[in-house]
Amino acid sequence: GAVVSQHPSWVICKSGTSVKIECRSLDFQATTMFWYRQFPKQSLMLMATSNEGSKATYEQGVEKDKFLINHASLTLSTLTVTSAHPEDSSFYICSAHGQGRPNEKLFFGSGTQLSVL
Amino acid sequence: KQEVTQIPAALSVPEGENLVLNCSFTDSAIYNLQWFRQDPGKGLTSLLLIQSSQREQTSGRLNASLDKSSGRSTLYIAASQPGDSATYLCAVRWAGGGNKLTFGTGTQLKVEL
Repeated sequence: GAVVSQHPSWVICKSGTSVKIECRSLDFQATTMFWYRQFPKQSLMLMATSNEGSKATYEQGVEKDKFLINHASLTLSTLTVTSAHPEDSSFYICSAHGQGRPNEKLFFGSGTQLSVL
Repeated sequence: KQEVTQIPAALSVPEGENLVLNCSFTDSAIYNLQWFRQDPGKGLTSLLLIQSSQREQTSGRLNASLDKSSGRSTLYIAASQPGDSATYLCAVRWAGGGNKLTFGTGTQLKVEL
C-alpha cells in the first residue's frame, strides 16, 4: 500500500520559535495533502488542504499566517508553525491523496507530537 | 452542518467478546466512509473503507456496515483480543466535498484479559 512519511515524530521547542513538519508521499504522487490537528482526547480536526503548486485552503478559525503550508512538489508538503506558543502544543498529522483516484483511501503519516514550552 | 458522531466514547470488554462500535453522520450524501485505528500517540491505520454504493466490508475479524438512509455505520469486531485495544475513528468523505474527511469523536476500546 501507499506510504506517507512524516517527520519529525516529536518535537519540543521554546515559545516563540518556529517548527517545520514534513510530509512525504513515498511511492505515489500526492496532488492533494491535508493537515489535521488533534488535541488530547479529541478527534482530528482538519486545518488546511494543500494542492501542489497552489496556495493552501484553510479551514475556518485556522490562522494562515501562523500555520504556513508549502506544497511545492507532488511528493512533499510542509507545515511550519510560526512563533509557536504553548497553546499550539498538539498532535499534527498529514494525509495524502493520489491523482485521479477519488475512491482511494487516504493515507496518513505517523503524526508529529509538538510540545511548546 | 455535516457532523460525525461515535458512540460510545469508551468501551471496556473482556477478551473474546464480540463488540459493535457505532458511527452516525448527519448527511446521507456521502462519498465513502472509512474506519481507522489509532494507537496512543501514533498515526492512523486504515481498517476498512466502504464506498457509498456498498453495504458492508469485511477484513478478518472486522466487519463494517453502512446504512446511508439512516446515517449509520457500525464496526463489528469478533472475538476481541487485548491487541485490539486502541481508539477507533470513523471518517466520512462527503459527496461534493472533495477529498477531505470529517472525523468522528472516536471510541476508546480496552480489551481486558
